[in-house]
Amino acid sequence: DGGITQSPKYLFRKEGQNVTLSCEQNLNHDAMYWYRQDPGQGLRLIYYSQIVNDFQKGDIAEGYSVSREKKESFPLTVTSAQKNPTAFYLCASSYPRDRGGGANVLTFGAGSRLTVL
Amino acid sequence: DAKTTQPNSMESNEEEPVHLPCNHSTISGTDYIHWYRQLPSQGPEYVIHGLTSNVNNRMASLAIAEDRKSSTLILHRATLRDAAVYYCILRGAGGTSYGKLTFGQGTILTVHP
Repeated sequence: DGGITQSPKYLFRKEGQNVTLSCEQNLNHDAMYWYRQDPGQGLRLIYYSQIVNDFQKGDIAEGYSVSREKKESFPLTVTSAQKNPTAFYLCASSYPRDRGGGANVLTFGAGSRLTVL
Repeated sequence: DAKTTQPNSMESNEEEPVHLPCNHSTISGTDYIHWYRQLPSQGPEYVIHGLTSNVNNRMASLAIAEDRKSSTLILHRATLRDAAVYYCILRGAGGTSYGKLTFGQGTILTVHP
């Protein structure tokens, strides 16, 4: 079955360390997204990519970095510059804008919960 | 970016209908209205979407106002498994509005047995 796989599900990090969260999809989607969710809050967009080798900053990109070398993969690195990284991270994907436009539905992964010790 | 406004929380009894409202007064003509829901500690899942006409699927119905400035997600018979946070978002076809999707805090739906 097609879907999005996020790993690891749980991750613990010491202050000052960079960590990378994996997001892989086999839905043949061109567009991919990273969101952050804090307890009791909605989703906030970190980065999004509409095509391979291209990505754009979302609303809270500071302290994060991404790459998009393959269509299937969109890893997120939480750097030591992120002041408060403890959160639930969600990856999503969809078809590109020129195939369905605003009708395109987002498919989400199960999330990765990062805790800074 | 076009934004949506939803009540913070709503309650329902099991097997009763639930009407979840969403206001989007700045919606543009090409914006689709999408609904997602999120169970605790899980990723959101798609529920339904529409442009102008009312829509039905196996999960829910979407009623869209004639002026498109508001919409209502209808769960015809709520079950305990429908207890979740429901998000109403707008998705346009423009370059920025397509990728930069904004999720608000959503509506927490509580279903009582």
